[in-house]
Amino acid sequence: QKEVEQNSGPLSVPEGAIASLNCTYSDRGSQSFFWYRQYSGKSPELIMSIYSNGDKEDGRFTAQLNKASQYVSLLIRDSQPSDSATYLCAERSGGSYIPTFGRGTSLIVHP
Amino acid sequence: EAGVTQSPTHLIKTRGQQATLRCSPISGHTSVYWYQQALGLGLQFLLWYDEGEERNRGNFPPRFSGRQFPNYSSELNVNALELEDSALYLCASSLEAGDGYTFGSGTRLTVV
Repeated sequence: QKEVEQNSGPLSVPEGAIASLNCTYSDRGSQSFFWYRQYSGKSPELIMSIYSNGDKEDGRFTAQLNKASQYVSLLIRDSQPSDSATYLCAERSGGSYIPTFGRGTSLIVHP
Repeated sequence: EAGVTQSPTHLIKTRGQQATLRCSPISGHTSVYWYQQALGLGLQFLLWYDEGEERNRGNFPPRFSGRQFPNYSSELNVNALELEDSALYLCASSLEAGDGYTFGSGTRLTVV
């Protein structure tokens, strides 16, 4: 059974710091990786997709993928209190159209 | 552009009753996915519809069912409701199968 593991947190960082969120996965056939942000009481919102090894940057967000080590991470630079949310990692293997979600990491950015 | 819309926002049902949840995908999206998010359990995949057909089903009993209409909107039906069905039910759509999702705001189902 495919698994996506995330530290549930909470991860607490000061405003302006870099928040680093990590995710490991069990399926070596995984091809697509997604990061979603979910505010309390709201639905998830897609913030990053990454498909190949290396880094992908979008504004303050950088996704990093290492398929050999089977981990994907999300870095949030210049963290703001508005970044406080749960971050869900998801992966999809080539043999399935349905991603597997981790349980999420709670991030708290304090002023 | 309108996002994914779900109705109702909240639904309270009695154990044993049936619940019907509705979803309209983003215009142009043909794939609709249903997920259950119960407290502490993360997102659990329920059903995937594409072009009017059920394409995949998660590990849920048959009393969870649904359909997709010709306009690509979708309906999730939960029969013989149990207390543990209380959860946030999320609908998502994607332009192509396998793409990242756009989620609706969800339906909070409470079974009493």
